[in-house]
Amino acid sequence: GNSVTQMEGPVTLSEEAFLTINCTYTATGYPSLFWYVQYPGEGLQLLLKATKADDKGSNKGFEATYRKETTSFHLEKGSVQVSDSAVYFCALKRGQTSGSRLTFGEGTQLTVNP
Amino acid sequence: DAGVTQSPTHLIKTRGQQVTLRCSPKSGHDTVSWYQQALGQGPQFIFQYYEEEERQRGNFPDRFSGHQYPNYSSELNVNALLLGDSALYLCASSPRGTGAYGYTFGSGTRLTVV
Repeated sequence: GNSVTQMEGPVTLSEEAFLTINCTYTATGYPSLFWYVQYPGEGLQLLLKATKADDKGSNKGFEATYRKETTSFHLEKGSVQVSDSAVYFCALKRGQTSGSRLTFGEGTQLTVNP
Repeated sequence: DAGVTQSPTHLIKTRGQQVTLRCSPKSGHDTVSWYQQALGQGPQFIFQYYEEEERQRGNFPDRFSGHQYPNYSSELNVNALLLGDSALYLCASSPRGTGAYGYTFGSGTRLTVV
């Protein structure tokens, strides 16, 4: 079946540090890949996505590249801010319609200290 | 434009009781999916409703049931509550056929079973 594995957390960084959160997946075919962010007390917000191999998703300074050869979709940001503190979820979806369910990783808690 | 609205925000129930959670989708969305997020875990897909019918179901027992109304709002019902049902229940809505990046998540209902 489909599965997503994220690096063990939590992750604590100082402001302006470089961020990498690792994500690998197992799926047949060509899934779409996503990063969602969850701020305290809120639901999930889509951060970025990639729908085919070698696509790079980007948003708000965050980037992730769909690497089919390594089945990975690592999240990176060059300079984190305190406001980036949240839980980050990697997810995949097979199929192109909204009928396709999302499969999530376990999440990575990021804390950025001033 | 209101997003996805879930009610109640918090709920405490006793083992063996029944609970109903409610979701109003984002304006223009006709598909509703429910996810269970246990503490420290990623969301797990419960089921999805479209045109007032359950279209897909995840690996959850029959104690979990749902309903969708003609106005696209939805309910999640859980019977014979177990301590392990304690979790954040997330509702996500989407317009049919747009893919998972069309999903909008609500802030969730925090269910505690004692």
